[in-house]
Amino acid sequence: DIVMTQSPDSLAVSLGERATINCKSSQSLLYNSNTENYLAWYQQKRGQPPKLLIYWASIRESGVPDRFSGSGSGTNFTLTISSLQAEDVAVYYCQQYVSPPPYTFGQGTKLEIK
Amino acid sequence: QVQLVESGGGVVQPGRSLRLSCAASGSTFSNYGMHWVRQAPGKGLEWVAIIWYDGENKYYSESVKGRFTISRDNSKNTLYLQMNSLRSEDTAVYYCTRGSPIRGMDVWGQGTTVIVS
Repeated sequence: DIVMTQSPDSLAVSLGERATINCKSSQSLLYNSNTENYLAWYQQKRGQPPKLLIYWASIRESGVPDRFSGSGSGTNFTLTISSLQAEDVAVYYCQQYVSPPPYTFGQGTKLEIK
Repeated sequence: QVQLVESGGGVVQPGRSLRLSCAASGSTFSNYGMHWVRQAPGKGLEWVAIIWYDGENKYYSESVKGRFTISRDNSKNTLYLQMNSLRSEDTAVYYCTRGSPIRGMDVWGQGTTVIVS
């Protein structure tokens, strides 16, 4: 099974500053047939279900603010929030969906306001 | 607007069974694979199972294999999770999610809570 490891486990950033969350997979998430990385990012606010933010490592889901961006390829990926807003306080998860199942998640990164 | 609504959660004794349902509306249910994902209290997300759009293929996490069965009724736009031989470690909020081969899990229900005690 592919293991997903996020860093850091928690993060405190000032409003308006940049937040960066890393995700590392134990195997490449690059699918050779279409050269896409099968890596998604989800945001989960307290008491709510997760919400898809980014898929194929860097494609923003419809309606997601452009301050959210995803990057990376192969086994190393990053979620960046360019200018942190109060409503971005949440736990963020990466997930791989390249392999046959299981479609594993990272352990989550808790983002707070400094 | 696509909507997924889970039901069937509750409090159950260890070793007993429970069946969860997920009713889908607003999209062509039979076009999509569907997942169950769970979240234990204060913990992260754990993928549980997937069923292909036509029900032909099913996969499970090792932690539930042999105890849980995922199924669907496309005529009723409903996904199911039959949970047998429940353990305390199965206590969690269970989410159904729509699976997209391109976008991962693009629609999530609100979840239903299962407590094994």
